[in-house]
Amino acid sequence: IVLTQSPATLSLSPGERATLSCRASQSVSSYLGWYQQKPGQAPRLLIYDASNRATGIPARFSGSGSGTDFTLTISSLEPEDFAVYYCQQRSNWPTFGPGTKVDIK
Amino acid sequence: QVQLVESGGGVVQPGRSLRVSCAATGFSLRDYAMHWVRQAPGKGLEWVAVLWYDGNIKYYADSVKGRFTISRDISKNTLYLQMNSLRVEDTAVYYCARDQDYGDQPEYYFDYWGQGTLVTVSS
Repeated sequence: IVLTQSPATLSLSPGERATLSCRASQSVSSYLGWYQQKPGQAPRLLIYDASNRATGIPARFSGSGSGTDFTLTISSLEPEDFAVYYCQQRSNWPTFGPGTKVDIK
Repeated sequence: QVQLVESGGGVVQPGRSLRVSCAATGFSLRDYAMHWVRQAPGKGLEWVAVLWYDGNIKYYADSVKGRFTISRDISKNTLYLQMNSLRVEDTAVYYCARDQDYGDQPEYYFDYWGQGTLVTVSS
């Protein structure tokens, strides 16, 4: 299953709302997660099963969608949120999307 | 607290072998499935292999099947990835990651990651 993410880069200011998209080549039901990765660091699980926040993840992160279209929303960007975000499906053998970079405008 | 520490990366020639390790603390490998995920320099993430919590079931990505072997040593609480017949395209940071689900079959979400170890395959 191929995942595509858009946009490739999102340039925003702190305090703004970020909306990231992930589309699957076939239905993955709700078996989709989101990860955040900062330079030189390992990924961090944010969301699993499309809309469930992982342990310790702030409420400003939310996920939605099912089937083939999913969205990660960051309601108000904090300085530490500027990073690359990957979606990942587990409906079949795990695959990741190419990532969306959220950078400072 | 949960910690995963990889080691064993380095530079190796194509066709040769290398074993990377992942020492786990704060939990037992008996209780969770464990994964290897890799990331080529400047690229995205690729799942490589899984070892179920019982230690008996293993699955691999097609790109490494027949060349890589995942295993563990419970007495050392350490996960391994034996990589044989290495190719240039295996060059990546190799992360070990814990499956989010306790026991049972894996959920294939990764809730704890190590810092990664870089494997460079080059002549």
